Amino acid sequence: AQSVTQLDSQVPVFEEAPVELRCNYSSSVSVYLFWYVQYPNQGLQLLLKYLSGSTLVKGINGFEAEFNKSQTSFHLRKPSVHISDTAEYFCAVSDHLGFQKLVFGTGTRLLVSP
Amino acid sequence: SAVISQKPSRDICQRGTSLTIQCQVDSQVTMMFWYRQQPGQSLTLIATANQGSEATYESGFVIDKFPISRPNLTFSTLTVSNMSPEDSSIYLCSAQGHNTGELFFGEGSRLTVL
Repeated sequence: AQSVTQLDSQVPVFEEAPVELRCNYSSSVSVYLFWYVQYPNQGLQLLLKYLSGSTLVKGINGFEAEFNKSQTSFHLRKPSVHISDTAEYFCAVSDHLGFQKLVFGTGTRLLVSP
Repeated sequence: SAVISQKPSRDICQRGTSLTIQCQVDSQVTMMFWYRQQPGQSLTLIATANQGSEATYESGFVIDKFPISRPNLTFSTLTVSNMSPEDSSIYLCSAQGHNTGELFFGEGSRLTVL
């Protein structure tokens, strides 16, 4: 069975600083990996996904993530954050592409302050 | 992409009553799912809503407590039956179109049970 671990429940950072949100997964088969963002009182929005190919994937709002199979990680990064990036970030994994059954991590709250 | 509308967006209910949440997608989708997000926690898959047949429930969720309907490709309902305060959560509808590897989410229905 798959599982996702987000080690940091909360990450405080100053505006314009770089940030990395960590995600590790476990799965016995090939995986598909996702990062979603949830702004206050809103649903989830896809930031980026890794399905195959290049291990460095770029998403919306300047975020990127790198798939590292040996480390079983999919960390999310942004070189310079904005106040508007304050939100909850969820890493998710699936071992099916057609039948999309996602397992979510516990989430990381990114708090960006001036 | 798909736009998902849920209603009600929030409700306050009395213990022992039932509430039905509606989910409408603006385009035909293959898979529809219902997730629960308890306060301060991640998303847990409740069930897969199957068109014209009984939903497929995840471990820990049963049809008597969470009956689900999906009469066509773009609409589904989730009922939370005989509610207790422990059912206070955000319930999220999600849908997958084709093999894009992306799940789209509604904004959620925030349920408070007194």
